[in-house]
Amino acid sequence: QQPVQSPQAVILREGEDAVINCSSSKALYSVHWYRQKHGEAPVFLMILLKGGEQKGHEKISASFNEKKQQSSLYLTASQLSYSGTYFCGTENAGGTSYGKLTFGQGTILTVHP
Amino acid sequence: DTAVSQTPKYLVTQMGNDKSIKCEQNLGHDTMYWYKQDSKKFLKIMFSYNNKELIINETVPNRFSPKSPDKAHLNLHINSLELGDSAVYFCASSRDSLPGANVLTFGAGSRLTVL
Repeated sequence: QQPVQSPQAVILREGEDAVINCSSSKALYSVHWYRQKHGEAPVFLMILLKGGEQKGHEKISASFNEKKQQSSLYLTASQLSYSGTYFCGTENAGGTSYGKLTFGQGTILTVHP
Repeated sequence: DTAVSQTPKYLVTQMGNDKSIKCEQNLGHDTMYWYKQDSKKFLKIMFSYNNKELIINETVPNRFSPKSPDKAHLNLHINSLELGDSAVYFCASSRDSLPGANVLTFGAGSRLTVL
């Protein structure tokens, strides 16, 4: 079953902040975040492994609460280049996942000047 | 040097035809994947190979047949194309298939349109 992302879409002005959430019904080993710009391939942003860590990548950071099976992506002081569709991809804990990632439905982020 | 390259970038074909998409990676990765992205942008895994061995085979019609001649190449052949096969097909690779080591590098995608 695919993880659920919220919100489905966000519209921001440059400099504003946003949070994108990803929630799974299954116990997770890891959560990945990817960004896809229109007409391009998804690009890896970061991976969070179970252990409840928080990671950062420029002004984009993320957290992973493995007990709640949730992850959040934080975008601060947004730039025009942040526009795109953000996907979380989850890897289930237990058993053998063979590297399988199940992606959420995506969150469309639009940053205006 | 493109890390994951797929050809062709665009395919337009008639229903019932057979088509192939090729993928090559020069990252030295052990694992390669095919993902399908539909018109609603939903990204769904189809197949995965680890060092030429099929390890993930999702519920995909058997008209779709992957083939990995070596760990740097993964091809996708589709028989008897249907309208519903229209989508963007992404090839991806990762260092390996172990937990946490499956960070994906995607190819640019192959947009298939079935008329």
